[in-house]
Formats: sequence, C-alpha cells, structure tokens
Amino acid sequence: QQQVKQSPQSLIVQKGGISIINCAYENTAFDYFPWYQQFPGKGPALLIAIRPDVSEKKEGRFTISFNKSAKQFSLHIMDSQPGDSATYFCAASQGGSEKLVFGKGTKLTVNP
Amino acid sequence: GAGVSQSPRYKVTKRGQDVALRCDPISGHVSLYWYRQALGQGPEFLTYFNYEAQQDKSGLPNDRFSAERPEGSISTLTIQRTEQRDSAMYRCASSETGGNQPQHFGDGTRLSIL
Repeated sequence: QQQVKQSPQSLIVQKGGISIINCAYENTAFDYFPWYQQFPGKGPALLIAIRPDVSEKKEGRFTISFNKSAKQFSLHIMDSQPGDSATYFCAASQGGSEKLVFGKGTKLTVNP
Repeated sequence: GAGVSQSPRYKVTKRGQDVALRCDPISGHVSLYWYRQALGQGPEFLTYFNYEAQQDKSGLPNDRFSAERPEGSISTLTIQRTEQRDSAMYRCASSETGGNQPQHFGDGTRLSIL
C-alpha cells in the first residue's frame, strides 16, 4: 500500500513556464510534508517543507500548496529553468516518527 | 567534510556474501537514518538512530539486515548472506536533532549482488 501517491511520473516544461507536481496521502496523522530535489548521482536534497497549519509556503520560485481536507499537497516551480531539471520527491511523516515516507518521484525536464 | 559521507560508493559482491556499508554523518548530528532506494523509486525507510540508540528498525526487510552506531557517530549497515533482491542504492541521512528536522542525505552506496 503506497502511503504517498505522486503524479505525474514525468513532466516536460519550457523555460519560464510553471511546473506543478502533485501528491496525495491517506494517513491523516501525517504532519510534516517536505519536498526533495535529486540530481543524477546525488542524494536527495531538501527543497522546501510545510506543516498542515498553513495552506501555502513560498521560498523564492518554489511554493508548496497544502489542502488538508483533500489530503493533497503540491509543488509549484515558477519561472522554471533548465537547472531545475531533476527528480522531485514529495514525502510525509507523522509526529513521533522520524521516518519519511516518500512518493515515487517526478522527473522534471525544463527545455531551454 | 561538510556533508554525509558514505562508503564504498559502489559494491559488487557475489550472492551469499556479507557486506558492510558505512555512513559518516554530518558532525554533531544526533539522528542518523538508513534508506534503500530502488531505481525509479523514492527512498524507503530502513532504520534510524538517535545517538547510539536504534529507535526504529521497522523498515529492515528481514533478519539478514542489521545496523549499528556504537559511538553515536559513524554507522554501519550490514547485510548477511546477500541475495540478488538486495541490489539497490543504500542511502544514509542525518539530522541535527530529529523531530522532523531536515534530513541531509549522502550520495549513497550502489550495491550489486551477482
């Protein structure tokens, strides 16, 4: 049973466009939702994270939108750049548990 | 070094052999995590430590897998009697204090079982 479902599996956008990646979860005990960025040959790196007491968090070109009632959260990358081309993972964890549950990832390609 | 260091980067071994994977976390980080990442998938939790204490080993697939962190710093993940299905990228991460603090990942050990 996959606890965090991520879509799409792959995404191609043009430079300057908006990239949107979606995740859905089932476990209502989840209370921490990070997004990780992974380049080939490297480990995942934390990009941005949100807790369910806010509906949106923005850091530069990256925004997380969170919908608690729908149990969904999404990553928006504004003004996408070729350097943003990477695999993005959403994840979730619940209070008292240290383990992150990851989605399957989205491979983003930004064409110049 | 500034980041999480894992060694070896690549390990190829024959089925039935034991392997030991090493993780050197960021200096001073209390929490250390082991994940396994299959090709095209997200990391899957294996186990984690706070200091030298193993807090959760619920993700270890079976009793051939074990981990230790005897002095609260470097950790070793050991796989006994390896099988081909153990082939994967094994990743270590560390965080300052746990409690949903950012987990910093290493570049992993690619394990191939022949």
